[in-house]
Amino acid sequence: DAKTTQPNSMESNEEEPVHLPCNHSTISGTDYIHWYRQLPSQGPEYVIHGLTSNVNNRMASLAIAEDRKSSTLILHRATLRDAAVYYCILSAGNQFYFGTGTSLTVIP
Amino acid sequence: SQTIHQWPATLVQPVGSPLSLECTVEGTSNPNLYWYRQAAGRGLQLLFYSVGIGQISSEVPQNLSASRPQDRQFILSSKKLLLSDSGFYLCAWSTSGHTEAFFGQGTRLTVV
Repeated sequence: DAKTTQPNSMESNEEEPVHLPCNHSTISGTDYIHWYRQLPSQGPEYVIHGLTSNVNNRMASLAIAEDRKSSTLILHRATLRDAAVYYCILSAGNQFYFGTGTSLTVIP
Repeated sequence: SQTIHQWPATLVQPVGSPLSLECTVEGTSNPNLYWYRQAAGRGLQLLFYSVGIGQISSEVPQNLSASRPQDRQFILSSKKLLLSDSGFYLCAWSTSGHTEAFFGQGTRLTVV
């Protein structure tokens, strides 16, 4: 299985930027890096994904290290609705392997 | 637009009883389909995935099986449930591993 390592939990103040790190030192050249988030008792929600270049969308930005062994999900202004478990995932072929994720707490 | 339906939302079953969870996708053709299980307070474990009708790949040896009788239908089954089968079961679809995956709302299974 493709492996990722994330901190178990992080805190952020509301309206401040949040940088969620992920290590994936065993990534292969064809693995895409995905980020999803999950609220309690709900299915995960897609956030962003990329291969080599940094990516931006309406929800977040994804910064990928030059050697691709790590990446960072950036929430530009955290809101209370961003409180969730964030998963960094490598997609190997047709499979998506989830790690344990980072539980993000947003402090009002 | 594409949608994914998963039911039931909650299920309580006795040990030794059979299980059938169904997932259907609308608005797309030939999707990759996935079954995941999430134990309480844990991450998602990939159980099965399918790239086409009748094609099932099993990720973890277990008391469960999956079938894909139609292009947009994915079924998770068990002949005899164990206590350890309790968890939150999620169905998902994608067009490939290089695109986003869409998840259903999940079924919370409690085996008693």
